[in-house]
Amino acid sequence: AQSVTQPDIHITVSEGASLELRCNYSYGATPYLFWYVQSPGQGLQLLLKYFSGDTLVQGIKGFEAEFKRSQSSFNLRKPSVHWSDAAEYFCAVGARTNFGNEKLTFGTGTRLTIIP
Amino acid sequence: DAGVTQSPTHLIKTRGQQVTLRCSPKSGHDTVSWYQQALGQGPQFIFQYYEEEERQRGNFPDRFSGHQFPNYSSELNVNALLLGDSALYLCASSLDRFGLSTDTQYFGPGTRLTVL
Repeated sequence: AQSVTQPDIHITVSEGASLELRCNYSYGATPYLFWYVQSPGQGLQLLLKYFSGDTLVQGIKGFEAEFKRSQSSFNLRKPSVHWSDAAEYFCAVGARTNFGNEKLTFGTGTRLTIIP
Repeated sequence: DAGVTQSPTHLIKTRGQQVTLRCSPKSGHDTVSWYQQALGQGPQFIFQYYEEEERQRGNFPDRFSGHQFPNYSSELNVNALLLGDSALYLCASSLDRFGLSTDTQYFGPGTRLTVL
């Protein structure tokens, strides 16, 4: 069975500083990997996704993530955070089932706080 | 282009009651997945519907059931509510091509269910 680990429950960074959120996954085949962001009381917004090809993927809002198969990681990065980036961030792996469809398995999330 | 919509936004029920939550997928999408997100946790997969049938199910009891209509909209039903069913229920839609759901899942804003 697939699983996702987000080892950092809460991260605080200063506005303008760089950011890296960690994600490790466990899956037997080539995974589909996603990062979603959730503002308080809201649904999930897709930031970026990796299906295949280039291991460095660009997303919305200036975010990027790098897929490293050898480390089973898919860390999210941003060179300079803005106060509006404060939110909960979820990493997810998409598992292809015998029926060809997918279900997403999420990590427990990392809460990002931005200080002035 | 309308995104995924869910109704109602909030709902309060008492133990033992039954509840129905509704979801309209993003335009052009034919597959609907439901997730439960308890407070402070990542979303957990409940089930997925395609062509009006349940195609994949997570580790949830039979009290959780669903339905998909010909227009691809979906309902989630929960019977005999327990306090532990209090959560944000998220609906996600995607497009299934040639029997393979390879597209990204887009989430609605969720329905907040409180069981007293």
